[in-house]
Amino acid sequence: GAGVSQSPSNKVTEKGKDVELRCDPISGHTALYWYRQSLGQGLEFLIYFQGNSAPDKSGLPSDRFSAERTGGSVSTLTIQRTQQEDSAVYLCASSLDTGTLYGYTFGSGTRLTVV
Amino acid sequence: QKEVEQNSGPLSVPEGAIASLNCTYSDRGSQSFFWYRQYSGKSPELIMSIYSNGDKEDGRFTAQLNKASQYVSLLIRDSQPSDSATYLCAVKVDSNYQLIWGAGTKLIIKP
Repeated sequence: GAGVSQSPSNKVTEKGKDVELRCDPISGHTALYWYRQSLGQGLEFLIYFQGNSAPDKSGLPSDRFSAERTGGSVSTLTIQRTQQEDSAVYLCASSLDTGTLYGYTFGSGTRLTVV
Repeated sequence: QKEVEQNSGPLSVPEGAIASLNCTYSDRGSQSFFWYRQYSGKSPELIMSIYSNGDKEDGRFTAQLNKASQYVSLLIRDSQPSDSATYLCAVKVDSNYQLIWGAGTKLIIKP
């Protein structure tokens, strides 16, 4: 696609439920990143994919968070047993070259609200 | 630890004036530098990139890089209310697979 696509754009869920967030990167972008941004805060790194592999999962806040990427394309971030502190905007970004020359292109994000 | 520092602001600038945003970084291996603009409730968008010392101009925007002093700046000429946003500085270190992000500077352009 022309840009990075994320779905859903908004998600309201009850505490304790599982949620899946989807990211469809720009075609050909091998690097994919997930970030979290709480209101008024900076970008919090979650996980990095190169192709289908995740060399760095160090940013995942707890074992309730997991992510996968298939076919070197679409990625899914899953949050199990959601908590209120999980409420944030989840941003996906992709890059042709891990950002060296072209930086990242971000999707429009998924706003997650846990009630 | 690799760090990118920005003044959080808010930086208030009158309409039509020059807005100057600054960013310092700690790793001398940094090779690529980016400025992103983030409007409230939106995702970051890339507005400038710079790789070598000196100035790079694009319309009303000028990025300045000084590797010896380890800082990068963004100048916005003829500031408009639509420039009001948070500006994020991001740095790519040669040995790293990801950009290192500053926390952002909130810019307010007053009509």
